Amino acid sequence: SQQGEEDPQALSIQEGENATMNCSYKTSINNLQWYRQNSGRGLVHLILIRSNEREKHSGRLRVTLDTSKKSSSLLITASRAADTASYFCATALPDSGNTPLVFGKGTRLSVIA
Amino acid sequence: NAGVTQTPKFRVLKTGQSMTLLCAQDMNHEYMYWYRQDPGMGLRLIHYSVGEGTTAKGEVPDGYNVSRLKKQNFLLGLESAAPSQTSVYFCASSYSSRVQPQHFGDGTRLSIL
Repeated sequence: SQQGEEDPQALSIQEGENATMNCSYKTSINNLQWYRQNSGRGLVHLILIRSNEREKHSGRLRVTLDTSKKSSSLLITASRAADTASYFCATALPDSGNTPLVFGKGTRLSVIA
Repeated sequence: NAGVTQTPKFRVLKTGQSMTLLCAQDMNHEYMYWYRQDPGMGLRLIHYSVGEGTTAKGEVPDGYNVSRLKKQNFLLGLESAAPSQTSVYFCASSYSSRVQPQHFGDGTRLSIL
């Protein structure tokens, strides 16, 4: 079963608007990561937030983490057509063995110019 | 630097044929991974390696074999291809820990008729 589940599955907004995507997970984590995938390309790492952090920023990206609710959100401010992509969250379990990251199924974001 | 390079980019096979997908990374990463991505299923881990000479099973290992004879290369083999293995295959690597960000190749699109 998926550790991380993104919501919504698809999102369509106008250029200049903000886009918010959510990720819920089931078990304790070491960190949570967000990735972007442009059509026909591999995933690209965007940002990592550790379990003891509540918020991180990177350019127009803002990520929050609520470990009590086992959820994270990715906010893209002032969206651009170039932000059109699928966005995935991935969770890293606490230190135990070699279990790799577990990816969610992604949110498809369409930014309309 | 090329990062993670996957060969070939596209391939069409007939049922029962065999083939090997090659992944090469030039970042001196210890960990390497093979995923498949199918519509609506997100990324599913096939096999991974925590260092040269090691391999481990992921979520969907059946029908695939892997080898990591050199640190920079991770090979994925299909011994007897089946239509259910039609997918996009992604290779990824991470530096020294399973919790660190992964770097992805641009995928191999494999169709099995």
